[in-house]
Amino acid sequence: AQKITQTQPGMFVQEKEAVTLDCTYDTSDPSYGLFWYKQPSSGEMIFLIYQGSYDQQNATEGRYSLNFQKARKSANLVISASQLGDSAMYFCAMRESTGRRALTFGSGTRLQVQP
Amino acid sequence: DTAVSQTPKYLVTQMGNDKSIKCEQNLGHDTMYWYKQDSKKFLKIMFSYNNKELIINETVPNRFSPKSPDKAHLNLHINSLELGDSAVYFCASSQFPGQGTGANVLTFGAGSRLTVL
Repeated sequence: AQKITQTQPGMFVQEKEAVTLDCTYDTSDPSYGLFWYKQPSSGEMIFLIYQGSYDQQNATEGRYSLNFQKARKSANLVISASQLGDSAMYFCAMRESTGRRALTFGSGTRLQVQP
Repeated sequence: DTAVSQTPKYLVTQMGNDKSIKCEQNLGHDTMYWYKQDSKKFLKIMFSYNNKELIINETVPNRFSPKSPDKAHLNLHINSLELGDSAVYFCASSQFPGQGTGANVLTFGAGSRLTVL
C-alpha cells in the first residue's frame, strides 16, 4: 500500500504568490517524522523542512511551512512568495520509528514558477 | 568541502558489464543509504548500513552488492548490468534514526547517473 501520496504531478504558480503542495500519508505508528525535499533540475536532493508526529506547532523554515493535520494524515508544504528558483520537483517523505526507519518517498510534484 | 560525495557522477556502460559507485561522507554520521531514482523520478530505498552493519536490504536483485568498509564509506557494486538498471543512484547519510521523532535528516550526495546500453 502506498504510504505517501502526492496527488499533484504538476503545479504552476505565479512569481510572488503562495503555493501549497499536498501530501497525505498512511501509518499506524504513533511516532513518525515527515520531511520535504526539493530536487532542482540539477538533480541534487535538498532538505527543506521536518515535522515530528508529536510536534505541537507546525514547522516553519523561512518561506517554507508545513501544514500538519494529524487527524487527516496530511502534511502539506506551503511556499510563500514564490521565486523563479523554486521551480523544481518536491518530494514528501515519511520515516516511521519502527521497522525499517528509512525514508519512504512520495511520487513528487513538479512545481513551475511563472514570471 | 562536499558533505556526501559520490563517484562517478556519470556512468555509461554496456549490458553485461560490472560497475561500482563509491560514496563517502564527512559528516560523522553512522548510517548510510543507497536510493534508486527511476526515470519517473520515483525514489526507492535499496540498502542501509549502520556502523558497517547492513540494516536494510530491500527486494533488490543479488547482482547489487553494497559494501561498507567503515562508517564513512558505502560502495555499490553491480554485476551483469541490465537495461533496467539505468537510473540515478543516490547515496545518503544520517545519524541512526532511533525510536524517537528526532529529525536525523538524510543528507544526499549529488547522485550517479547510470546508463546501460
